[in-house]
Order: sequence, then C-alpha cells, then structure tokens
Amino acid sequence: DVKVTQSSRYLVKRTGEKVFLECVQDMDHENMFWYRQDPGLGLRLIYFSYDVKMKEKGDIPEGYSVSREKKERFSLILESASTNQTSMYLCATGLEAGGAHPTEQFFGPGTRLTVL
Amino acid sequence: GQQLNQSPQSMFIQEGEDVSMNCTSSSIFNTWLWYKQDPGEGPVLLIALYKAGELTSNGRLTAQFGITRKDSFLNISASIPSDVGIYFCAGRVRSQGNLIFGKGTKLSVKP
Repeated sequence: DVKVTQSSRYLVKRTGEKVFLECVQDMDHENMFWYRQDPGLGLRLIYFSYDVKMKEKGDIPEGYSVSREKKERFSLILESASTNQTSMYLCATGLEAGGAHPTEQFFGPGTRLTVL
Repeated sequence: GQQLNQSPQSMFIQEGEDVSMNCTSSSIFNTWLWYKQDPGEGPVLLIALYKAGELTSNGRLTAQFGITRKDSFLNISASIPSDVGIYFCAGRVRSQGNLIFGKGTKLSVKP
C-alpha cells in the first residue's frame, strides 16, 4: 500500500510566522503535489513536482514555496503566514505520467493549519 | 480553467437505500477517479476508470466512465452508516495536465 505521511495533523501559527509542512512517501513515486482544501472551493493545487529539485506552480501558488531535495520528501513553505492561509493542506503522490496508471493520486491524512 | 460539475452537492438517505451521484465536464476526459474523504482525513481512492464505457466495481460501489467521455457516475448499493463522508470525482483532460476535482457530494445516512 502507498503510504503518504504528513508531519502534523494540526498546526496553529501566528501571522507572519514561517511555516513548514512536510510530506513523506514510501512508494518511490516521481510525482508529488500540494493542495489546499476549503469549504465550497474544493481541492486547489498549490505546487507540484515531477522530479527531485523540480517544481511547478499550480493554480494558487501565491504566498507559498516548495522544496524537493529528495524523491520521497516534498515540503510546502509559507514564508509569512497570513490568516487567509488557514486551511486543510493535503499532500498527494503519483506515478510518472505515461506509466501504467499515470494519474492516480494518493493522499496523505492532511494538516489542518490555523493562522491566528 | 477546466471545471467539473458534481451533483448532488449533498444528500440524506435512509440506511439500505441505493445512492447515485455524477460528474460532468465540458471537456473530454481520458481518466475518471472517485475518492471518498472521511471527516478530518485525506481522500482515499475508491475506483479508477480509464476507458469510455468502462464499468468497475469495488464492493458495494460501482462507477462508470460515460460513453461521451464527458461524464462519470458512482453508485453505492445498500448504504450503511460508514458510507457517510464526502465523495469526490476527479478527472484528467485528454493529453493535458493535472487532475481536476469536483467539489464533492456530501453523503449523510439517517440511522
């Protein structure tokens, strides 16, 4: 089974703090994704990565950055947290495009971040 | 950007009833996925569909890839209380980019 873990289930931070959310997967998947989930808005893609040290902007990258130094780890960074970044953050992984099942994504349990 | 219309947004059903939900798109998709999300957890993949007309089951769940490639359906037979949650469809436009997600169908079961 694919195992995707996220560093925290719940996190409370103050406005202006730098926040790190970490995601680790154990299935050797090339692709990793960060989404945020908000009521009424569904899942929105923040950033994704198809390879180590490679990153691509998703639909809502503003206010976020990412780091992928190792294949199994993908970090989401909030440089200066703001209250509108209070949300559920979900990490996902998937196989390389063109593989047998190139688009299935497997999610971690989520981190519920509150910015005060 | 691309959008998926998922309906209904929410539904209340009696235990034992069958449930149907669907997703539609204005674009042709080459993949449809159905996920379930329990409160406070991440989405879990239920069924993946890759061919138009494909019908796939996972226990009491059955999903179909619409013949037009623009829609997909999920049916749950004989619902039970643990079916409660939010069901998401997701799809990939043929030869393009990342997954697009529907906004979910919230299922509540009356005991």
